[in-house]
Amino acid sequence: RKEVEQDPGPFNVPEGATVAFNCTYSNSASQSFFWYRQDCRKEPKLLMSVYSSGNEDGRFTAQLNRASQYISLLIRDSKLSDSATYLCVGSGTYKYIFGTGTRLKVLA
Amino acid sequence: SAVISQKPSRDICQRGTSLTIQCQVDSQVTMMFWYRQQPGQSLTLIATANQGSEATYESGFVIDKFPISRPNLTFSTLTVSNMSPEDSSIYLCSVEPNDRGGTGELFFGEGSRLTVL
Repeated sequence: RKEVEQDPGPFNVPEGATVAFNCTYSNSASQSFFWYRQDCRKEPKLLMSVYSSGNEDGRFTAQLNRASQYISLLIRDSKLSDSATYLCVGSGTYKYIFGTGTRLKVLA
Repeated sequence: SAVISQKPSRDICQRGTSLTIQCQVDSQVTMMFWYRQQPGQSLTLIATANQGSEATYESGFVIDKFPISRPNLTFSTLTVSNMSPEDSSIYLCSVEPNDRGGTGELFFGEGSRLTVL
């Protein structure tokens, strides 16, 4: 089993839609969690951290369920500019493990 | 934040040769990582390179194939040795700035796109 797993998608959604991505992790990548965004042919960039209590940043909400080893990212009111690959990241001892990434395409 | 200069940005190499990728950071960082991203795939951690110690390699990656140097807190190199077409990939250098420890905010170089013929 991979340490961090995601549905690769693609998710094609209309502008304004709400879309949710899920991610599961194994024990070796279970200290802290993050969502990164990667645009085509660009390097990944941190989108947000994920806290056990859940956290929100504008249209983005991240949640962590340690009992189920499950992380989610919710994007509300999708914009065309949200089109990208979203990477779930788990941290282990002195390293960061990236998930396979979920591709999102927001359609006009 | 950290600004990372990585070079070469791209190269086309012949099978059996070796290529060294350089990563220069504009500030001193303890934690540095080398990732590989194959076409259409996510990032796979090759090794963690901390200054003053041997690099720690992930399963499936060995020092003979991917030797790493970390001579100081601002610089590292990754060599891809005895290349084969399967090594064609983007190689990314990444750092966690010392003042961002534990925050998960990694900064990446722009990557080195390697094609092996």
